Amino acid sequence: AAGVIQSPRHLIKEKRETATLKCYPIPRHDTVYWYQQGPGQDPQFLISFYEKMQSDKGSIPDRFSAQQFSDYHSELNMSSLELGDSALYFCATRPAFSSYNEQFFGPGTRLTVL
Amino acid sequence: DQQVKQNSPSLSVQEGRISILNCDYTNSMFDYFLWYKKYPAEGPTFLISISSIKDKNEDGRFTVFLNKSAKHLSLHIVPSQPGDSAVYFCAARGVNAGGTSYGKLTFGQGTILTVHP
Repeated sequence: AAGVIQSPRHLIKEKRETATLKCYPIPRHDTVYWYQQGPGQDPQFLISFYEKMQSDKGSIPDRFSAQQFSDYHSELNMSSLELGDSALYFCATRPAFSSYNEQFFGPGTRLTVL
Repeated sequence: DQQVKQNSPSLSVQEGRISILNCDYTNSMFDYFLWYKKYPAEGPTFLISISSIKDKNEDGRFTVFLNKSAKHLSLHIVPSQPGDSAVYFCAARGVNAGGTSYGKLTFGQGTILTVHP
């Protein structure tokens, strides 16, 4: 079965650089969630999109922005990177018009900021 | 402010025995609870869930119990197998005052389960 695809899987950046993380949902999943998991921490919700519109916002820094495109893939743009942004970034998706409450997670992008 | 807490960082169990993973929460607006399993270098994999209107949900070797008055849930794995060794996250979905859920999950810190052969 198709799963959530995230790219790249690993990313190394310098401080103050920018990074773009991509998420490709499971087919017919139109809701996307982004989570950040720091070392030894639980995943923290950043932002979500439903039908290309932002549906909810969590602890996402102003330096980050995200959007969902017409094909439902989503991109998380991160600027002025800081050392503390080093983390695993997960994308999760689910179909909106269903009884599913479960979110299906991608493998994550490991971002390292040097 | 940790709204979902897994107070046991790790649990070690013998193969064939029962594994019990616990989770406590503080927010009474959570309406749905989920357990995820995570292997290193992979994303969390959905395991089992329970609605706040139920007190038990069973799926094969996995059973989740919810005690709403105590704001406590537990995951039972019987019998435990070495392949169950992973990090287990408890997660909760909340609704706002108007009863709308946007689906975002709040996670606990995770419990590392090790099942010994």
